[in-house]
Amino acid sequence: GQQVMQIPQYQHVQEGEDFTTYCNSSTTLSNIQWYKQRPGGHPVFLIQLVKSGEVKKQKRLTFQFGEAKKNSSLHITATQTTDVGTYFCAGLREGTALIFGKGTTLSVSS
Amino acid sequence: NAGVTQTPKFRILKIGQSMTLQCTQDMNHNYMYWYRQDPGMGLKLIYYSVGAGITDKGEVPNGYNVSRSTTEDFPLRLELAAPSQTSVYFCASSHRDRESYTFGSGTRLTVV
Repeated sequence: GQQVMQIPQYQHVQEGEDFTTYCNSSTTLSNIQWYKQRPGGHPVFLIQLVKSGEVKKQKRLTFQFGEAKKNSSLHITATQTTDVGTYFCAGLREGTALIFGKGTTLSVSS
Repeated sequence: NAGVTQTPKFRILKIGQSMTLQCTQDMNHNYMYWYRQDPGMGLKLIYYSVGAGITDKGEVPNGYNVSRSTTEDFPLRLELAAPSQTSVYFCASSHRDRESYTFGSGTRLTVV
């Protein structure tokens, strides 16, 4: 079945450094979504990418969808302590529901 | 507007007991989902529903049952609880399958 793989599993950065997490699917995706989960919280939707090669920005966050629609990345510029949490990518499996990667847990020290 | 509401927030079950995790949404979403989250393992899809009266299995359905008698409610039933079902359970909903999901705050279940 479809799998969504995400790396790295953990990342620690100093405040102000950049951060990137990568997502790869074993199959072509119709779309990909990104979620953020704060410690002890629930996943919260960040963005959806649909088109091949699409790039979207939200302030310091940049999301990319690969040309083949099998990979994606989330880049955070100049991390802040408020960026702490686990970032999940999720690919839509046709006819079912979102399949989530295992997530990348980001910690930030000031 | 409450969004997706899950009850209870915490529960401890003994092996072999049964329980129902409640989920209700007030956004008139057609699609609803149940996921479980284990540490370091992301979210695994248990069951989902595309509308009232329609349910289907996800990645890890064994040991669980669901029903969808109304658009608002999507309860998850655990029969004969086992320690492997210790997890955090999230209910979510979306208007359509290709739109963002809104998650509830979760139910933390421990089976001892």
